[in-house]
Amino acid sequence: EAGVTQFPSHSVIEKGQTVTLRCDPISGHDNLYWYRRVMGKEIKFLLHFVKESKQDESGMPNNRFLAERTGGTYSTLKVQPAELEDSGVYFCASSQRGLNNSPLHFGNGTRLTVT
Amino acid sequence: DAKTTQPNSMESNEEEPVHLPCNHSTISGTDYIHWYRQLPSQGPEYVIHGLTSNVNNRMASLAIAEDRKSSTLILHRATLRDAAVYYCILRDVNSGAGSYQLTFGKGTKLSVIP
Repeated sequence: EAGVTQFPSHSVIEKGQTVTLRCDPISGHDNLYWYRRVMGKEIKFLLHFVKESKQDESGMPNNRFLAERTGGTYSTLKVQPAELEDSGVYFCASSQRGLNNSPLHFGNGTRLTVT
Repeated sequence: DAKTTQPNSMESNEEEPVHLPCNHSTISGTDYIHWYRQLPSQGPEYVIHGLTSNVNNRMASLAIAEDRKSSTLILHRATLRDAAVYYCILRDVNSGAGSYQLTFGKGTKLSVIP
């Protein structure tokens, strides 16, 4: 079974530019999560999709961040415009449908550097 | 939200057992105890989880105190590949949205000595 894949693995952009991160969850996983670790901080929850619906977006830092999951398959996380403090590693995770306590399977993350 | 407390770092010799402690004195009756680990340059990886009884799987064992205020992750024979940051996490419910997110702390950095 293929794991959670994220693209790109690294992205370097200038402040003010736009970046879109993509996550492909494990096939059949309805739950999809975005997390991030900014420099020197702990891994923080951003939001949670169930299929194409946003179940919980309480961790989204501000309106420069937009997450979508059209069709309930892959998801994108767009940062527009990017700021220096957005630098960090963005992780995507997925888990099985209907099992609120099922383990999360994480991708290896996208390292975003904003200069 | 219930919090966990873990030592910042631990060392183990290769092929010896490792006991990673976690305190969670404010745990609620419905909180599951989850353990994840993060190897260098990778995303977090699920290790094990439990509610009240001790749990075993191919990766590790989880020993949960009777009062559930603490737990211990046991790696039976540490290998170099087990060097990672280990996170003890109480499965957190955002009651307003029905989301079961994970709240990561600083974790324990485990070093394995050849």
